[in-house]
Amino acid sequence: KAGVTQTPRYLIKTRGQQVTLSCSPISGHRSVSWYQQTPGQGLQFLFEYFSETQRNKGNFPGRFSGRQFSNSRSEMNVSTLELGDSALYLCASSLAGQGGWNTGELFFGEGSRLTVL
Amino acid sequence: DAKTTQPTSMDCAEGRAANLPCNHSTISGNEYVYWYRQIHSQGPQYIIHGLKNNETNEMASLIITEDRKSSTLILPHATLRDTAVYYCIVRVHMEYGNKLVFGAGTILRVKS
Repeated sequence: KAGVTQTPRYLIKTRGQQVTLSCSPISGHRSVSWYQQTPGQGLQFLFEYFSETQRNKGNFPGRFSGRQFSNSRSEMNVSTLELGDSALYLCASSLAGQGGWNTGELFFGEGSRLTVL
Repeated sequence: DAKTTQPTSMDCAEGRAANLPCNHSTISGNEYVYWYRQIHSQGPQYIIHGLKNNETNEMASLIITEDRKSSTLILPHATLRDTAVYYCIVRVHMEYGNKLVFGAGTILRVKS
């Protein structure tokens, strides 16, 4: 079956702009998580969604937001872009266990590489 | 903050077993240990996870010490395609659900 699909794969923005990234999870997966990966900070948890609700959020400013649709597809948005937002943004989907918690077995997409100039 | 510590890098000869250690001395009784790997320019890939018993699947084996303060991932016959960054992760419980907190990982280089 198809894996996690992220679009766009690459994009370049300038400071102050905003960006929206999209993620289509594996069919049947209702939990979607987002991670930011940079050379300096590594992989950092952004947020997790289940059933159109944000379940958990990492330590990122309010400029980072997301949402999940009824078909489990998810988007994340970064407003007022800063140079430090340049990163690989990874989406991961998972089957949801009891209570909607992700099972820990995450399936990652190949990411959206954002460059902020 | 990551609850695990791993060596920065390791080398392994092709065809030999690769043993990747991980320390997680502050792990709580109900927290699982997960291993992922990330091959260059790809998203992380799930390998295996465990709570307190040793686990084995088609990719690897996971050995967890009795006190659960450390574990070892074993790739029984490493190939060049196993060259990657390997992450040992403790799944952390949050108010609603849980999250995986990635550390810096171990760069495994498999050499012919």
